[in-house]
Amino acid sequence: KAGVTQTPRYLIKTRGQQVTLSCSPISGHRSVSWYQQTPGQGLQFLFEYFSETQRNKGNFPGRFSGRQFSNSRSEMNVSTLELGDSALYLCASSLGGSTEAFFGQGTRLTVV
Amino acid sequence: QKEVEQDPGPLSVPEGAIVSLNCTYSNSAFQYFMWYRQYSRKGPELLMYTYSSGNKEDGRFTAQVDKSSKYISLFIRDSQPSDSATYLCATYSGYALNFGKGTSLLVTP
Repeated sequence: KAGVTQTPRYLIKTRGQQVTLSCSPISGHRSVSWYQQTPGQGLQFLFEYFSETQRNKGNFPGRFSGRQFSNSRSEMNVSTLELGDSALYLCASSLGGSTEAFFGQGTRLTVV
Repeated sequence: QKEVEQDPGPLSVPEGAIVSLNCTYSNSAFQYFMWYRQYSRKGPELLMYTYSSGNKEDGRFTAQVDKSSKYISLFIRDSQPSDSATYLCATYSGYALNFGKGTSLLVTP
């Protein structure tokens, strides 16, 4: 069974640009959550999608947005990039809630 | 104050040692507790999760939750160099995982 796939693995962007990250969950999983991981703050919850609807959102500015498609694949968008957005962005999929959430390898975003 | 606190280490032990990793949490309403392992440049991997208080064992790993003291522990028996990684504890708030910052473990041959 294929795991969670995130693309691309690495990205370098310039301040002010926008970026889109993609996540393909484990087959059959309908919940996709996104997390930001930085050395200073650790893993922080961004948002969760279930059946194409955003169910929950963390404490991040509106520049961070996402969506989920009918096949459960999800994308995350960050607009007007700031240096502080440099982080590892992780996607996790689960059947419903997050008690058994499986993470992808992450997308390493560097903003210069 | 973060909802889950974890000593970042690093923790260095010789091969074969018993490792004890610990976290504390603040919200007594939490019922689900997880341990993840993260190797360098990889995503976190779910090791095990427990519901409410008590112990759960899986091979060389034992997870322990003490809700009265809001304390979560992971014990690794007969530690191996391949166990060298960052270990993250987490609680489930009902919609998201709240992570500790992780403890870096190094098992030396």
